[in-house]
Formats: sequence, structure tokens, C-alpha cells
Amino acid sequence: DAGVTQSPTHLIKTRGQHVTLRCSPISGHKSVSWYQQVLGQGPQFIFQYYEKEERGRGNFPDRFSARQFPNYSSELNVNALLLGDSALYLCASSGGSSSTDTQYFGPGTRLTVL
Amino acid sequence: DQQVKQNSPSLSVQEGRISILNCDYTNSMFDYFLWYKKYPAEGPTFLISISSIKDKNEDGRFTVFLNKSAKHLSLHIVPSQPGDSAVYFCAASEFSNDYKLSFGAGTTVTVRA
Repeated sequence: DAGVTQSPTHLIKTRGQHVTLRCSPISGHKSVSWYQQVLGQGPQFIFQYYEKEERGRGNFPDRFSARQFPNYSSELNVNALLLGDSALYLCASSGGSSSTDTQYFGPGTRLTVL
Repeated sequence: DQQVKQNSPSLSVQEGRISILNCDYTNSMFDYFLWYKKYPAEGPTFLISISSIKDKNEDGRFTVFLNKSAKHLSLHIVPSQPGDSAVYFCAASEFSNDYKLSFGAGTTVTVRA
């Protein structure tokens, strides 16, 4: 069975640009969460979507947005990129929306903002 | 602010010995705790979890201990194997916001042959 997949693997952008990151959950999983991992730190929660509805949002500016599609895949969009947005962006899927439902992480998208 | 802290960035242990990883938290509303393991170029993988109603949970070579009064948990790996070399993240969640996990900064474990 395929795990969580993310695309692209790596991405280089310049300040002020916009980026879209994509995530495909494990088949049958209805929940997708996004995390940002800056070098030397642990993952920080950005969003969770469950059944195409936003269930939770972390402490990130409005430049960050996301959506979930009918097939449960998801996109994370970041506008007006800043140097500080350089990070590994992780997507996780789970069958349910609670933290007690095991979250399975993808390998991440490495975003570099120059 | 960091509500979950892993104060040891790295740990080196000999193969066959015990690895002990520590984690402290500040949010008294946390009621569910997890450990994840991460290899380079891969996403974190769930290892073991514990609910706040328990003080110990075991799964094979991995045991997690929870001390709620001290707001402290630890992960014991016995015996340590070379394949255990990875970054270990402690994470926590609270019932009222159970959709999100709060992670520590991670501890890099190196198991020496």
C-alpha cells in the first residue's frame, strides 16, 4: 500500500513569490494535517482538514492557506514568501480527526526561499 | 512558545545498552503523549503513545513512562540496536484541541556498534 505522498520533493522560490505544496493521503484516510519543520526544531502544526472542512489552524499568518479536495488530497498555499518560510513542510494523514488516531507522515517538501 | 521540550539534542549509546530519552511539558491540559522516530529523508514514524490515565506503556523494546506531577515523560529503548539510530520526537495533545500535536525539538540517537 502506498503511504502518504508529497510533491514536489524540493522547491526553490524567491521572496514575495507564491508556492503550492501537494499531499495525497493514505487510501481511506479522511484527515490531512500540515506541519512546518524549521531546521533544528520540531514540527509545528499549521492546519488540519477532515472531510474537506478545516478543523484546526495553528499560529500561522493568513499568508498560509489550505484546502482538501473530494478525494481527500490536500494543497497548502503560501503567499508572499519570506526567508523565514524556508522549512520542511510535512503532511500527515489519519483515518479520524483526533490525535489518538495514528498520524502517518509523508517525507515532506523542502522549501528554500532566497 | 515551546510547550514540549527535549533538552538533550543528542544521545550516544552502545549497542545492547539502554537508551533513555527525556521530554518535559508545560501545558497541564496535555492528556495524550506520543513518540515519533525520524530517519533522514523520511517523515516521522509513530513509535508509541501513552494516555494520561496511565503511567507506563510497553511495546516490545520500547517503554514510555509518564510522570504527570513532574510533567515529564521518558522513552526507554532496551536493548538499543544500530537501526534505532534516528531523531526521536516527543509530542503531546490536549482533549479540547485534539486535532493538533505539539512537538519537541527532537533528540538524535546514535547507537554505536
